Amino acid sequence: RKEVEQDPGPFNVPEGATVAFNCTYSNSASQSFFWYRQDCRKEPKLLMSVYSSGNEDGRFTAQLNRASQYISLLIRDSKLSDSATYLCVVPTSGNTGKLIFGQGTTLQVKP
Amino acid sequence: EPEVTQTPSHQVTQMGQEVILRCVPISNHLYFYWYRQILGQKVEFLVSFYNNEISEKSEIFDDQFSVERPDGSNFTLKIRSTKLEDSAMYFCASSREIQETQYFGPGTRLLVL
Repeated sequence: RKEVEQDPGPFNVPEGATVAFNCTYSNSASQSFFWYRQDCRKEPKLLMSVYSSGNEDGRFTAQLNRASQYISLLIRDSKLSDSATYLCVVPTSGNTGKLIFGQGTTLQVKP
Repeated sequence: EPEVTQTPSHQVTQMGQEVILRCVPISNHLYFYWYRQILGQKVEFLVSFYNNEISEKSEIFDDQFSVERPDGSNFTLKIRSTKLEDSAMYFCASSREIQETQYFGPGTRLLVL
């Protein structure tokens, strides 16, 4: 299994749709997880942190399944501005801050 | 809102030349990082730095790479003799604590000809 694996997409959805992205990770010792958003040719920006079973922030919900080593991101009521690449990010278990990035899932929201 | 800044935004250089990429982390952050992203590929960790020492470096970070915090605000990445395959976007990041959110700068796009 790759360290962090995502379906690259692209996901093409209409405005208002609900869309879910999945991510699997290989290190069972990982304690925290992140979803970052990256716009084209820009830096990654933190969308959500996930430390326990899940987290919700407005239209965005992240869920964690430690037994299956699987994280998901759900976006409800998609907006045009949600079009971006969503990066699943897992810190390594060593105490150095190293982040392992998935290859990202591209979302295109259409009017 | 404080942010990480990077200069230059773009750098074009000839193969074999030295480049220095500069970063100003968020002022109260203690942990600093460099990542790179080759066009169309995923973001890759290069190095982490704390208390004036490298904490961890990746296989990519070979003898041609070095990092420095020359003063209280700047954090630099030097590539001594650039190769074509060093062409990428280089992101600096910083965090207040080791397990806290890393904030990324806007990146320096390096093109080696």
